Amino acid sequence: EIVMTQSPATLSVSPGESATLSCRASHSVSVNLAWYQQKPGQAPRLLIYRASTRATGIPARFSGSGSGTEFTLTISSLQSEDFALYYCQQYTNWPPGFTFGQGTKLEVK
Amino acid sequence: QLQLRESGPRLVKPSETLSLTCIVSGASVTSSDYYWGWIRQSPAQGLEWIGSIYSGGRTYYKASLESRVTISVDTSKNEFSLKLTSVTAADTAIYYCALFPAAGAPVFDSWGLGALVTVSS
Repeated sequence: EIVMTQSPATLSVSPGESATLSCRASHSVSVNLAWYQQKPGQAPRLLIYRASTRATGIPARFSGSGSGTEFTLTISSLQSEDFALYYCQQYTNWPPGFTFGQGTKLEVK
Repeated sequence: QLQLRESGPRLVKPSETLSLTCIVSGASVTSSDYYWGWIRQSPAQGLEWIGSIYSGGRTYYKASLESRVTISVDTSKNEFSLKLTSVTAADTAIYYCALFPAAGAPVFDSWGLGALVTVSS
């Protein structure tokens, strides 16, 4: 199973600044990586797929990059609604399965 | 607009079977456009894909759960279901039904609201 490791576990940033979240894969996943945002009491929401393609309706301040084993989600000009949990997910070995990272909590500094 | 909603008992006794249903609106579970599936979330395991089902009944399960999991479709009710046998406290989690498109990147772009299922006597 491909293990996804996210860092840091918690990131404290001030509104208006930028945040950089990292995701590392135990084996190469090419660009088969997605990012999700989750707010309290809600299901995850797809932000990015194919490492850098924004999903429908996702603001341009969200950007993804990387390939192979190292990936980054950057959120520029942080808005109040951006403070949430963020998860990465690899899908390179579909089928038969998928794995998620353990998440990064983005909190207000 | 495609919507998913989980339904089923929220409390299950240890060693019994967890059963959940996902009620689908806005799309047909017979559609070959989607894979229909289940993901759970717990503090210990984080987000964990359980399995998915495709048109015609082809199923895919997480290897470590495969011996206990069954996902099936009820076309007459336009819903799909999850059965997880021999549950323990470790199966306590929020269970989401979710889907991903059959074409393009297999990423989960529609989710239900989630159902917290507790395993306890």
